[in-house]
Amino acid sequence: SAVISQKPSRDICQRGTSLTIQCQVDSQVTMMFWYRQQPGQSLTLIATANQGSEATYESGFVIDKFPISRPNLTFSTLTVSNMSPEDSSIYLCSVVPLARYEQYFGPGTRLTVT
Amino acid sequence: AQTVTQSQPEMSVQEAETVTLSCTYDTSENNYYLFWYKQPPSRQMILVIRQEAYKQQNATENRFSVNFQKAAKSFSLKISDSQLGDTAMYFCAYRRGSGGSNYKLTFGKGTLLTVNP
Repeated sequence: SAVISQKPSRDICQRGTSLTIQCQVDSQVTMMFWYRQQPGQSLTLIATANQGSEATYESGFVIDKFPISRPNLTFSTLTVSNMSPEDSSIYLCSVVPLARYEQYFGPGTRLTVT
Repeated sequence: AQTVTQSQPEMSVQEAETVTLSCTYDTSENNYYLFWYKQPPSRQMILVIRQEAYKQQNATENRFSVNFQKAAKSFSLKISDSQLGDTAMYFCAYRRGSGGSNYKLTFGKGTLLTVNP
């Protein structure tokens, strides 16, 4: 498996501001993903972070709201822009290690928007 | 589109007993993968067990095993000798066969398992 860290682990933000979440992996991975988990709910895929190119977004998620970067094989960021209380969720990074097919998840970032 | 259904929102079991969590899925694919993830209150998602659809043998990881019924599209998780640390939300997940966007996971809504002392 891979060791995945996320920063920050939690934050409380004001409406209208933006927050950037970092995901760092200790080894090179094939794929990186960003998920959202609203309170008491299952996980919803936001986008696939592609190295050196624009992320691939799922239906209902747009780049202006959730810009994503992946400059190399071990690091990615997700920005939650112009936040509203509806963005209060846990945001999780996941990765697929090289030569593997299963996904591993980071510890998550708990975001509260007031 | 693929869907994953977990029909048991909550379950409880006594410590040291056995419990089975249900999962069914819908797909027209022949090649795919199935997973069970555990999310304790601390929220870290942990991969519990995985199953390749082309394998007939059920996967086993220590106290965790699955009953994979491909024709019935059923993938249940059995936890033997339940421990207090098994208390968590359990998610069933599906992934299409290898390649590109097929790495995406589709999750069920989860089953909250409580292990009672």
